[in-house]
Amino acid sequence: ILNVEQSPQSLHVQEGDSTNFTCSFPSSNFYALHWYRWETAKSPEALFVMTLNGDEKKKGRISATLNTKEGYSYLYIKGSQPEDSATYLCAGGPASNTGKLIFGQGTTLQVKP
Amino acid sequence: DVKVTQSSRYLVKRTGEKVFLECVQDMDHENMFWYRQDPGLGLRLIYFSYDVKMKEKGDIPEGYSVSREKKERFSLILESASTNQTSMYLCASSSGQGRQHEKLFFGSGTQLSVL
Repeated sequence: ILNVEQSPQSLHVQEGDSTNFTCSFPSSNFYALHWYRWETAKSPEALFVMTLNGDEKKKGRISATLNTKEGYSYLYIKGSQPEDSATYLCAGGPASNTGKLIFGQGTTLQVKP
Repeated sequence: DVKVTQSSRYLVKRTGEKVFLECVQDMDHENMFWYRQDPGLGLRLIYFSYDVKMKEKGDIPEGYSVSREKKERFSLILESASTNQTSMYLCASSSGQGRQHEKLFFGSGTQLSVL
């Protein structure tokens, strides 16, 4: 079974701060890594899907990197804004290619104005 | 706008009742999933389906069943609701049969309380 761990569990930052979270997974059993943003009272929304070692993806002020050899992904938010407040979920797809994703517990970000 | 629609945002049921949670997607996606979210735990997969009339157990299928009679609709059934099934239930869909690199599209969730 693929175990996906996220850290920290929660984070409080000031508006304008840059921040990053970590998602770790067993590197020996990996196929795809997803990041989702889940705002309160809304649906989780996909940010990135990465499959290749060294992948870097960017969407506005948010970017993500992937290291499949050591089994981690970082999500960076540059210049956090109050609207970035959300729970950020990562999910790993095991190499068995069954379509199942294993989700981490999430990192909840609170950005204070 | 593409959509995954869950029938209820909030639901309150009594222990022992049979509960149906409905999910409809308008994207012609092959894959559909049911997850539950509990505090301190990640999204946990209950059941998923790659095609009409097809279903596979996820990580926590006990106490649940599913039905997929049409491609766009995936129903989660609690045969006899229990208090430990109080949770947020999320439906999701994706394209491409069985491929994990396709992103999930989620519904807005159903908060189920079993009293």
